[in-house]
Amino acid sequence: DTGVSQDPRHKITKRGQNVTFRCDPISEHNRLYWYRQTLGQGPEFLTYFQNEAQLEKSRLLSDRFSAERPKGSFSTLEIQRTEQGDSAMYLCASSLESFAEAFFGQGTRLTVV
Amino acid sequence: AQSVAQPEDQVNVAEGNPLTVKCTYSVSGNPYLFWYVQYPNRGLQFLLKYITGDNLVKGSYGFEAEFNKSQTSFHLKKPSALVSDSALYFCAVRDLNSGYALNFGKGTSLLVTP
Repeated sequence: DTGVSQDPRHKITKRGQNVTFRCDPISEHNRLYWYRQTLGQGPEFLTYFQNEAQLEKSRLLSDRFSAERPKGSFSTLEIQRTEQGDSAMYLCASSLESFAEAFFGQGTRLTVV
Repeated sequence: AQSVAQPEDQVNVAEGNPLTVKCTYSVSGNPYLFWYVQYPNRGLQFLLKYITGDNLVKGSYGFEAEFNKSQTSFHLKKPSALVSDSALYFCAVRDLNSGYALNFGKGTSLLVTP
């Protein structure tokens, strides 16, 4: 296993379109996180899954954002009706335990034009 | 609520000199503390963590960090900096009393000059 993988690496979309990102965590990790990072800032927590259950969502996650992890393996993050303010790097991470370090993917860079 | 502060946007150090990147935290319970490094166009890489035990923890690439409960700090250190250490460094905290999120600081840019 080579780590957390995210697809696509880059996405350019027009304002108002829907986009979906995929994350494949490290195979034995049952915990999965989504973060958003903008230039000059640290990653901001969006949501957390333990297996297929979404256990925590940030207040940053508006109703245009939805995340799933249907079989407790890969996860998808969908943004509906994209806005220019959604332009950011979207990072996925996974971990084995609550006290364990999270391993991050290389991210999906979203540009909304 | 939990939070992390990295008071320096940038740290400059000459190669071969010791380096320190500062981090302070605020949590309601016992903290789990982490340092990550981010190189340009690459993902976040884990450096080290403090969960419990010895206050001085050692990590990857010769980095270490000291947990100080009274000062609520977790500063990252390295005895002798390398030019290749130049990168963006993030401190992060998790407090299970506040949820599952790993909360990150804004990051500190480390520049090591030859």
